[in-house]
Formats: sequence, C-alpha cells, structure tokens
Amino acid sequence: AQSVTQPDIHITVSEGASLELRCNYSYGATPYLFWYVQSPGQGLQLLLKYFSGDTLVQGIKGFEAEFKRSQSSFNLRKPSVHWSDAAEYFCAVGARSYQLTFGKGTKLSVIP
Amino acid sequence: NAGVTQTPKFQVLKTGQSMTLQCAQDMNHEYMSWYRQDPGMGLRLIHYSVGAGITDQGEVPNGYNVSRSTTEDFPLRLLSAAPSQTSVYFCASRGGQGAGGRAYNEQFFGPGTRLTVL
Repeated sequence: AQSVTQPDIHITVSEGASLELRCNYSYGATPYLFWYVQSPGQGLQLLLKYFSGDTLVQGIKGFEAEFKRSQSSFNLRKPSVHWSDAAEYFCAVGARSYQLTFGKGTKLSVIP
Repeated sequence: NAGVTQTPKFQVLKTGQSMTLQCAQDMNHEYMSWYRQDPGMGLRLIHYSVGAGITDQGEVPNGYNVSRSTTEDFPLRLLSAAPSQTSVYFCASRGGQGAGGRAYNEQFFGPGTRLTVL
C-alpha cells in the first residue's frame, strides 16, 4: 500500500530564510507526487506536481521540489520565505491523481 | 467556470440524522473524489468515481454512500450520522487523459464542507 510521511508536524522560520519541507513516500513504482498548500479555513491549492522527467520541478509562488528515487523523497523548497507562505503543506502520492494518499501535513509559521 | 463547488459550507447534525453533501463541477471532468480531513490526519479518500455510473471505495468508505448519475454531480450521503463523521469534507475533480497522456492529471479541490455531528 502507498503511504506518505511528513516528519515535521510544525516548522517555524524567519521571513527571508530558506525553507525545506520533507516528504517521504512508499510506493512500488514511480508515482504521481504532489505538494498542496492550505491556508486556514480554505481548500487545497496545488503548488507543484511530478509525473516523470526532470526530477527538479518548479511550482507556483517560488516553490520547487526535487524527486529523489533512491531516497523515496519529494522535498519542497523555497529560497526565501514570505509571511504569506504561512499555511499548512501537504505532500500526496498516488498511482492515479484521483486516488491520492496524503501525508498528515506540515504547518509552517513565519516569524516577521 | 465556477470550478468545483460544494454545498453547504457548514452543517450541524444530530446523531442518526441523514444528509447529503453536494458537489458539482463545470469542467466536464471524468474523475471525481471525496476526501475527509481531520486534525493531524491529512486528507483521506472516502469514495471516487471514474465516470458517470461508476464509483468505487477509497480508504475510509464506511458510513458513506455515493452515486454518479451525471458527469457534473457527485453527492456524498451520510445515511445515519455519527460523531466520528465530524470532519471537513472536500470534493475534487480531474479531467481525463489528454494529449500526451498526462495533460490533465491535476485534481481541483472544492472549498470544503465543515460537518459537525452532535
């Protein structure tokens, strides 16, 4: 069965600092991989996705993620965090994008 | 396009009551899914549909029924609500395989329905 682990429940960074959110997955083949962001009381917005090809993918809002098959990881990065990035971030994996397994999420707080 | 819409936004039920959460999309998407989100649990797949008339169970289907009579609508029914079904429910939709095979694999999420069962 597929699974996703986001090891960090809560991360706090200073505005302007770099950010890396970790995601490890368990899946037999190369899955579809996604990062979503959720602001309080809102739905989910897709940041980026990986299906195949270049292992470094660019997303919206200046985010990027790198797929590392050998480590079963798909970590999300941003070189300089803005206060508006404070939200909860979810990594998701699936053989089909309509059957996703989500991680439990990482809540990001940003110190001005 | 309105995208994915969900009604109601908030609902309070008593144990044993029934209700239907509505989900509609105007993007002519083949695939639709229902998820529930609980604190510290992320989102978990309840049911999904790969087209009109075709549905299947996800990770946590017990206590929920779905049907897909049209491409646009995918209602979620709670026949006898229980406190354990207190959650935020999200509907999502996705288009089919486009040119190149994976052109439409992004899921679009609705704004959610917050359900409380007393």
